[in-house]
Amino acid sequence: DGGITQSPKYLFRKEGQNVTLSCEQNLNHDAMYWYRQDPGQGLRLIYYSQIVNDFQKGDIAEGYSVSREKKESFPLTVTSAQKNPTAFYLCASSRDRGHNQPQHFGDGTRLSIL
Amino acid sequence: DQQVKQNSPSLSVQEGRISILNCDYTNSMFDYFLWYKKYPAEGPTFLISISSIKDKNEDGRFTVFLNKSAKHLSLHIVPSQPGDSAVYFCAASAQAGNNRKLIWGLGTSLAVNP
Repeated sequence: DGGITQSPKYLFRKEGQNVTLSCEQNLNHDAMYWYRQDPGQGLRLIYYSQIVNDFQKGDIAEGYSVSREKKESFPLTVTSAQKNPTAFYLCASSRDRGHNQPQHFGDGTRLSIL
Repeated sequence: DQQVKQNSPSLSVQEGRISILNCDYTNSMFDYFLWYKKYPAEGPTFLISISSIKDKNEDGRFTVFLNKSAKHLSLHIVPSQPGDSAVYFCAASAQAGNNRKLIWGLGTSLAVNP
């Protein structure tokens, strides 16, 4: 079945450590997104990518980095510069970003600080 | 400043009755609106959308109504079922240069009681 796979489901990080969250899709979608969700808040956009080897900052990109070397993959690195990394991270994809169409989401990764 | 507002954090409805979830927006440039459903520890699932050129879109038990003059949309679920218990997010989309920007509400938690 086509879909988006995020791994791991739960992730723990020590202070000062970088961690990478995986996101893979087999929907043949061009656009991919990373969101962060905190309790009582809506989804906030971290980074997005419209095509391979291209990505743009979203509303809260500081302390995060991404890469888009393959169409299927859009990993997110939470760096030590992110001062409040504990959150639920969601990856999404859509056919492209220029037209009206829904985004499809993975099941998320919950990141916690040890 | 919240451009997409879901003013009711929670809603409780009896099974078989109608659930009405509301969403208000402030940006008149929004031209596409979506509703997503989210279970705990899972990613949001797309439910239904509506373009600003329409005032109603129906899909099975789900109907979305758009009142552009009031900048208001609502999601009706009839009849409500216990499996509909989830958090519902409203999102609005507008063209921003070559991209489309998607803005999310904070969500309404729906509980359907048997």
